[in-house]
Amino acid sequence: DAGITQSPRHKVTETGTPVTLRCHQTENHRYMYWYRQDPGHGLRLIHYSYGVKDTDKGEVSDGYSVSRSKTEDFLLTLESATSSQTSVYFCATSGEIFTGELFFGEGSRLTVL
Amino acid sequence: DQQVKQNSPSLSVQEGRISILNCDYTNSMFDYFLWYKKYPAEGPTFLISISSIKDKNEDGRFTVFLNKSAKHLSLHIVPSQPGDSAVYFCAARDNTDKLIFGTGTRLQVFP
Repeated sequence: DAGITQSPRHKVTETGTPVTLRCHQTENHRYMYWYRQDPGHGLRLIHYSYGVKDTDKGEVSDGYSVSRSKTEDFLLTLESATSSQTSVYFCATSGEIFTGELFFGEGSRLTVL
Repeated sequence: DQQVKQNSPSLSVQEGRISILNCDYTNSMFDYFLWYKKYPAEGPTFLISISSIKDKNEDGRFTVFLNKSAKHLSLHIVPSQPGDSAVYFCAARDNTDKLIFGTGTRLQVFP
């Protein structure tokens, strides 16, 4: 257990509003990731971070931005939420030596009306 | 284009029997493969992995087989137990160290 907490766990919002999801880890892991899970698509990478202030895009990054000002926190922001961003969002981390094993948070369910 | 495919969305197996979950991939540059297990309302958890230089890895009731020529891997669970009922994702590591996940297979183990 990598001590990963996501907040909020559930959120309902309206189209066009900004939304920020927070991921907090207590394991001092270098790498952090945001995935979204959708039926028929599995888990898709949105953005990832390989260190403080070092982030990069994943395969479905449009409409999302991230920030990492501290090792333990990784924020995912939807500047103007759309219904297509209704999903379950998972944060994940991995340690200094990347073996492929990720530690996931419990997920944040976002509904955009 | 889906680089990692799990063509069976669901699988139902009787308790005590073998469960076989399959995964196909298209990118020959993948060098490491993993299986994750996910229960409802929880995050995925790592189950077992295999390097591309091996063709089999075993951990208790779980065995992963890799056939590189066919770009195919499978997860065998023997014997299956009701607690194994979950969604299983296969994943592959690409040459930038990112994981590409499949769409998942929902396994149900019934008594």
